[in-house]
Amino acid sequence: AQTVTQSQPEMSVQEAETVTLSCTYDTSESDYYLFWYKQPPSRQMILVIRQEAYKQQNATENRFSVNFQKAAKSFSLKISDSQLGDAAMYFCASRNFGNEKLTFGTGTRLTIIP
Amino acid sequence: DAGVTQSPTHLIKTRGQQVTLRCSPKSGHDTVSWYQQALGQGPQFIFQYYEEEERQRGNFPDRFSGHQFPNYSSELNVNALLLGDSALYLCASSSGQTGLRLGEQFFGPGTRLTVL
Repeated sequence: AQTVTQSQPEMSVQEAETVTLSCTYDTSESDYYLFWYKQPPSRQMILVIRQEAYKQQNATENRFSVNFQKAAKSFSLKISDSQLGDAAMYFCASRNFGNEKLTFGTGTRLTIIP
Repeated sequence: DAGVTQSPTHLIKTRGQQVTLRCSPKSGHDTVSWYQQALGQGPQFIFQYYEEEERQRGNFPDRFSGHQFPNYSSELNVNALLLGDSALYLCASSSGQTGLRLGEQFFGPGTRLTVL
């Protein structure tokens, strides 16, 4: 069974600074995907970034990047130049190839301090 | 291009009642997944529908059932409601053709169900 663990229930960062959210996962599969989703107060889950396990290069999307450590089963999200609109719940999720079920962590609430 | 839509937005029911939640997938998508998100938790997978059949199911009792229509929209039905069924119910759509490799699911805004 897949498990995803987020050990930081809450994080805060000054506007324009950089913050890193942690995530560890466990899976017995060799081909899988990892995701970070953002859920603002509007409740809609928005995909921030995804990483395919077979790719060694860390994914980046503008101000968002990941540090994917496959051997350690670690998948952290770095947000650079934090903006007020980044305030939200952030969920780490995993999915095995050939299986569309997403397994989510418990989330990290990110607060941006003006 | 309309994204994933869900109705209703909010719903209040009493214990023992039955409820039906609805989801319309993003244009071009044929696969619908349902998730339950309890307060303060991450979403939990309920089941997934593809080609009008339940393709995969999570660890939820038979009180939770679903349906997919020929236009790919979907319903989630919950019978004999319990207090513990109070949650945000999220629908996510993807393409059965490319979704398996791309892995992207698009989520709707959810239906907030309160059971009293």
